[in-house]
Amino acid sequence: KAGVTQTPRYLIKTRGQQVTLSCSPISGHRSVSWYQQTPGQGLQFLFEYFSETQRNKGNFPGRFSGRQFSNSRSEMNVSTLELGDSALYLCASSGLWETQYFGPGTRLLVL
Amino acid sequence: EDKVVQSPLSLVVHEGDTVTLNCSYEVTNFRSLLWYKQEKKAPTFLFMLTSSGIEKKSGRLSSILDKKELFSILNITATQTGDSAVYLCAVSQGGSEKLVFGKGTKLTVNP
Repeated sequence: KAGVTQTPRYLIKTRGQQVTLSCSPISGHRSVSWYQQTPGQGLQFLFEYFSETQRNKGNFPGRFSGRQFSNSRSEMNVSTLELGDSALYLCASSGLWETQYFGPGTRLLVL
Repeated sequence: EDKVVQSPLSLVVHEGDTVTLNCSYEVTNFRSLLWYKQEKKAPTFLFMLTSSGIEKKSGRLSSILDKKELFSILNITATQTGDSAVYLCAVSQGGSEKLVFGKGTKLTVNP
């Protein structure tokens, strides 16, 4: 079974721009969660989706948004980028209430 | 506030040593505790623990959960340089796929 895939793997943006990251879950998994990882804060939960519905959201500003499509693929969007948004963005997929498996991440650098 | 605390934050050992990594938690509606290994990429799943006192084992790695005292340990015996990584502890809660992560323990195994 193919693992979780994320695109792009690396991204460089400038302040004020917006960015869209994509995640394709493991086949059969309907739950997708997103995390931000930084050296200072560690892994922090952004949001989770199940069957196209956002079920939970972390403590991030409204500039961070996401969605899930009918094929379970998910995207997250960050608008009006700030320097502090530079991070590794990880996507994880799972069956309902099962182990989460992580993708390779998208490393975002905001200049 | 939900929190997961790992100790030590950093550990340097020699090949062949045995190490014990600690994880304590305070979360509402606990469902399971998970251990991940992270090298310079995505976290890879090691164990999921839901019941107290039942040891999970995989090769040289083992883990156990104490739901009364709210902690878990991860043991690695006969360490190898390939065990060098950040070990992450995370807790899931009922009704959500959200994982609350600790800051991780950085393990360095020297030859």
